[in-house]
Amino acid sequence: EAQVTQNPRYLITVTGKKLTVTCSQNMNHEYMSWYRQDPGLGLRQIYYSMNVEVTDKGDVPEGYKVSRKEKRNFPLILESPSPNQTSLYFCASSARWDENTEAFFGQGTRLTVV
Amino acid sequence: DQQVKQNSPSLSVQEGRISILNCDYTNSMFDYFLWYKKYPAEGPTFLISISSIKDKNEDGRFTVFLNKSAKHLSLHIVPSQPGDSAVYFCAASPPYNNNDMRFGAGTRLTVKP
Repeated sequence: EAQVTQNPRYLITVTGKKLTVTCSQNMNHEYMSWYRQDPGLGLRQIYYSMNVEVTDKGDVPEGYKVSRKEKRNFPLILESPSPNQTSLYFCASSARWDENTEAFFGQGTRLTVV
Repeated sequence: DQQVKQNSPSLSVQEGRISILNCDYTNSMFDYFLWYKKYPAEGPTFLISISSIKDKNEDGRFTVFLNKSAKHLSLHIVPSQPGDSAVYFCAASPPYNNNDMRFGAGTRLTVKP
């Protein structure tokens, strides 16, 4: 089954404690991205990756890091989380960055930073 | 600056009637438009798309209309069913460039039995 898998689904952490949210896709997609969803703001792109070892900032990259060492995995790293990073996070993948095609989303990670 | 706007946070309709969800955009470079549906505790799933060479695209009960001159698109669901109750996101991107895709804030649709 084609899917994007995120872990964990729920996470409560304290300010400053580094964390990683994993994302894996099994569709051999080149393009992957991370979004955060906040009330009234919709989905805002954090980082994206056009292929292995190619990543770039989206609209709201501050406080986040990513890596793309393998095609299937695209982890999101919060080196020093702060309360304003409390949000619902989605990983997504699509075949290529330069194709008009739909994205497949993970089930989401609800992060609370206290 | 939100380039894609869904001005109605919520919409409630009776089962069997038509649901119309609206979306406006400001970037004239946007050329490809999508609608996603999101149930609670799940990720968004693709529903239907349209490119600017068309003004209408149908898929079963779902039809998307595009008015390029008004920078407006709408999603029609006919007939609405209780299972359609979800949050609907509108998305837009320039041609062949997912890096610049933008999403609206979403509209929560409730279909009452």
